[in-house]
Amino acid sequence: GAGVSQSPSNKVTEKGKDVELRCDPISGHTALYWYRQSLGQGLEFLIYFQGNSAPDKSGLPSDRFSAERTGGSVSTLTIQRTQQEDSAVYLCASSLQAGTDTQYFGPGTRLTVL
Amino acid sequence: AQSVTQLDSQVPVFEEAPVELRCNYSSSVSVYLFWYVQYPNQGLQLLLKYLSGSTLVESINGFEAEFNKSQTSFHLRKPSVHISDTAEYFCAVSDASRGAQKLVFGQGTRLTINP
Repeated sequence: GAGVSQSPSNKVTEKGKDVELRCDPISGHTALYWYRQSLGQGLEFLIYFQGNSAPDKSGLPSDRFSAERTGGSVSTLTIQRTQQEDSAVYLCASSLQAGTDTQYFGPGTRLTVL
Repeated sequence: AQSVTQLDSQVPVFEEAPVELRCNYSSSVSVYLFWYVQYPNQGLQLLLKYLSGSTLVESINGFEAEFNKSQTSFHLRKPSVHISDTAEYFCAVSDASRGAQKLVFGQGTRLTINP
């Protein structure tokens, strides 16, 4: 079956612009997670959803970052007024339920802020 | 907060040699432990996980890891590696007492297999 898909695969933007990153989870998976992978910080948790609710937003680095999930499926991560330090690979994962179920990762979106 | 330390950023080994990738985590009441692998130009894939029960867990491709609570470690081992094992390996932990949703990753160990 289809895995987690993310779009775009690459995004180059100018400092100060807003960007939207999209994640399509595996069909039937109720939990969805966003992580960030950067050279300096490694792999960091950003936020997770159970259904359309986000019980844990603790990893969002600033109020420029927000995420939403609609219909219990697709999620969008939005970064406003991008900064160079936002450059990273943004990874999405999904699992059947939040908790111990295996998280399946997408290929990521590579964001470059010039 | 949980943290994970992977002591080696790079491990070069010869083909058919044994390998151990080390992982230590900060102490917690109860944890779940994971090893993920990232092959070149591919996404993260789960290699194996420990949730409960036997402290020795195995993957389908010959890797194994042992949960050692007293040493707060979850080292990954393989008795004989292949060229195809070349990848970056990430150890991760989740806090079972807080619902285990969030994975905390180590910095990764790049395993390079030389012929």
